[in-house]
Amino acid sequence: QVQLVESGGGVVQPGGSLRLSCAASGFTFNDYGMHWVRQAPGKGLEWVALIRYDGSNEFYAESVKGRFTISRDNSKNTLFLQMNSLRPEDTAVYYCAKDGRGLGYPDSWGRGTLVTVSS
Amino acid sequence: QLVLTQSPSASASLGASVKLTCTLSSGHSTYAISWHQLQPEKGPRWLMKVSGDGRRTMGDGIPDRFSGSSSGAERYLTISNVQSEDEAEYYCQTWGTGFGVFGGGTKLTVL
Repeated sequence: QVQLVESGGGVVQPGGSLRLSCAASGFTFNDYGMHWVRQAPGKGLEWVALIRYDGSNEFYAESVKGRFTISRDNSKNTLFLQMNSLRPEDTAVYYCAKDGRGLGYPDSWGRGTLVTVSS
Repeated sequence: QLVLTQSPSASASLGASVKLTCTLSSGHSTYAISWHQLQPEKGPRWLMKVSGDGRRTMGDGIPDRFSGSSSGAERYLTISNVQSEDEAEYYCQTWGTGFGVFGGGTKLTVL
């Protein structure tokens, strides 16, 4: 079955950088788009970014555009999120999710990794 | 502007039924939405996708107590025979032109 395992979270100072990874298994990775979604403490889910199955297009939320970069390595079944210029409001659990058939609708989720931006 | 509106909270007695609503903003009434469940200390779980014409695509292993429907700009998630493990947050989600949108979520309390 689909497995998505996030890693790379931790504590980082404001203005710092962090790179999240998501190891995928149980499906043909290079057939599906992939998302990053986050949940800040006490808040709801917020969509962050999507990359198409072949990496040809990337889409970002306005709140992270220009600071975050989504990418993928289809040879290693791995999704990434490079986060630069981090702000305290980026503190959240970050989830990776597999896109379903039809762009933009996740149908499988990981368990998340916590990113804390604090001095 | 594409917005999904959900009531912040709902409650249901054990064994009863509850209907959660997700409302699409004006001009977006034909959009499909997905429902996701978020339980404490667990990752989200995709439940189903509901199109504007009411067609549903269910997630694997989702109990048939969960169903979805559509009417105009409203999308519904109905849980029948509510169980204690259904106590969770429920989010609707859709896709705009190049961006994703989540509703604010509904916290379901099982009494």
